[in-house]
Amino acid sequence: AQTVTQSQPEMSVQEAETVTLSCTYDTSESDYYLFWYKQPPSRQMILVIRQEAYKQQNATENRFSVNFQKAAKSFSLKISDSQLGDAAMYFCAYRRGAQKLVFGQGTRLTINP
Amino acid sequence: GAVVSQHPSWVICKSGTSVKIECRSLDFQATTMFWYRQFPKQSLMLMATSNEGSKATYEQGVEKDKFLINHASLTLSTLTVTSAHPEDSSFYICSARVSDTNSPLHFGNGTRLTVT
Repeated sequence: AQTVTQSQPEMSVQEAETVTLSCTYDTSESDYYLFWYKQPPSRQMILVIRQEAYKQQNATENRFSVNFQKAAKSFSLKISDSQLGDAAMYFCAYRRGAQKLVFGQGTRLTINP
Repeated sequence: GAVVSQHPSWVICKSGTSVKIECRSLDFQATTMFWYRQFPKQSLMLMATSNEGSKATYEQGVEKDKFLINHASLTLSTLTVTSAHPEDSSFYICSARVSDTNSPLHFGNGTRLTVT
């Protein structure tokens, strides 16, 4: 069974600085999707970024970018120029095709003003 | 963008009663909907996968007679917590996806259930 591991229960960063959230996963598949979701205090799940495993290029969405290391099964999220609104729980997730989305344990990110 | 509406946002019920939570895709047809449960400070745990017109597929350990799921149309899935008990108190979140396997999941706002 696929598993997703986020080894950092909590992280904090100074406003305007850069922070990287770690995620590793375990799968025997070669074609799959990886996601980072943000869950602010409102509890709404918001898709931050997604990566197709067949793409070698790392996905980027404005201040958010990933470091996808397929061989190492690593999928970290880098947030640049951190803003107070980035404070939230961040979940890494894995999905193969139409199968279910498997979430990591989450990392609580605090932004210090 | 695709919007998933979940109702109610919060509900308080007495032990022994049943509660129904609705999940609607407002501007797209969702062939598949997923129901998650989230305990405080924990991750989302998938409870069941609901496909329109067929029986839901429950994850191991989830009581299908306790958590009734109905996906009668391409825009509506319901989760009914039957004979609720205080341990059923939790945050329930639905998500929906169109038939295209490449499409992302769209999440509802969640429902906070408190059983007294």
